[in-house]
Amino acid sequence: GENVEQHPSTLSVQEGDSAVIKCTYSDSASNYFPWYKQELGKGPQLIIDIRSNVGEKKDQRIAVTLNKTAKHFSLHITETQPEDSAVYFCAAFANQAGTALIFGKGTTLSVSS
Amino acid sequence: DSGVTQTPKHLITATGQRVTLRCSPRSGDLSVYWYQQSLDQGLQFLIHYYNGEERAKGNILERFSAQQFPDLHSELNLSSLELGDSALYFCASSVSSGVGTEAFFGQGTRLTVV
Repeated sequence: GENVEQHPSTLSVQEGDSAVIKCTYSDSASNYFPWYKQELGKGPQLIIDIRSNVGEKKDQRIAVTLNKTAKHFSLHITETQPEDSAVYFCAAFANQAGTALIFGKGTTLSVSS
Repeated sequence: DSGVTQTPKHLITATGQRVTLRCSPRSGDLSVYWYQQSLDQGLQFLIHYYNGEERAKGNILERFSAQQFPDLHSELNLSSLELGDSALYFCASSVSSGVGTEAFFGQGTRLTVV
């Protein structure tokens, strides 16, 4: 089955800096890669996603890149703000019977002002 | 608010007991997923139901079972509880079960086994 590795587990940046979180996946059949943000006491919320036919996607200060050959994808947050502090999860999904969204173990991002 | 409702929000019970967690998906969503979140394991996929039928099974223990009812709400039953079952249990729903379908998460049920 699918296995998703996520690094780093913790990341501390200064306000205004960029943050990068990287994930690798094992199942070459995976074709959908969402990123979720989880704030304290809340459930994960989708912030951006990318499909396997796209190499990069951007939404304001957030961007995601995908390298299918290397089986890795990354989340880039520019001009970080204190409200970006949260746990971020990457996930992978293969549209096959018996599969579901498989998550990495999460990255705790702390943005200090 | 994601539109996914989980009850109860908190649950404290003793080892060996059985509990039922409930999830009401967003209106119109046919898929329900259950995840377990513990500090060191992240979000572990347990089971997926689509329109009342089991579609996928993850790392779900034999002591755990789930079902999705005709009104599409789902219940996760945990029995013979152990201390290690203490965790946050999340339910997520989506319109379908295919690629690119956004999954919306509930607020979770925090289970504490004492």
